[in-house]
Amino acid sequence: AQSVTQLDSHVSVSEGTPVLLRCNYSSSYSPSLFWYVQHPNKGLQLLLKYTSAATLVKGINGFEAEFKKSETSFHLTKPSAHMSDAAEYFCVVSLNRDDKIIFGKGTRLHILP
Amino acid sequence: EPEVTQTPSHQVTQMGQEVILRCVPISNHLYFYWYRQILGQKVEFLVSFYNNEISEKSEIFDDQFSVERPDGSNFTLKIRSTKLEDSAMYFCASTRSGGSYNEQFFGPGTRLTVL
Repeated sequence: AQSVTQLDSHVSVSEGTPVLLRCNYSSSYSPSLFWYVQHPNKGLQLLLKYTSAATLVKGINGFEAEFKKSETSFHLTKPSAHMSDAAEYFCVVSLNRDDKIIFGKGTRLHILP
Repeated sequence: EPEVTQTPSHQVTQMGQEVILRCVPISNHLYFYWYRQILGQKVEFLVSFYNNEISEKSEIFDDQFSVERPDGSNFTLKIRSTKLEDSAMYFCASTRSGGSYNEQFFGPGTRLTVL
């Protein structure tokens, strides 16, 4: 069965320090993986996606993620947090064989001044 | 930049009442989706819709739910007789091409509260 686990429900970092949001997946197929961000009262916005090309994926706003098949992970990182990064982040896996995508529970990122 | 819109942003209803949640997908998109997120839980797939018919639905999407594209722009989710457990945030999404490897564009959501 396919699943996505976001290991932290809340992460707090100081402005200017690195961000690490963890995601592990389980899939019987070669997955596509996404990170979406949701700011308050806004829709889910795509940050980046992995679809079997380069394993290190660069996204918007300085975020990147590395697909590690041996660890079944797709962690999201950013070298230096900004106050505007405070939001909810969702890791998503697709089954690549139908329309379904599966969400993780989300990680709320707090940025401390 | 085009975006998916949803109305209302918040809907409060009494148990047993019918509700219709509205979405306007991006204009040249062909595939439409509904998801829900119960407070504190995961975002869950409800249904996908293409070419005026349901292409896939989850076990959550029972006979109380229906979807419709009544005109060229709106995509609606109807809950026939709401239950307390239907209280959730409902997200609409659309994409130009099918297949879950394509980015889905999400609306801001409608918060449904059933009393």
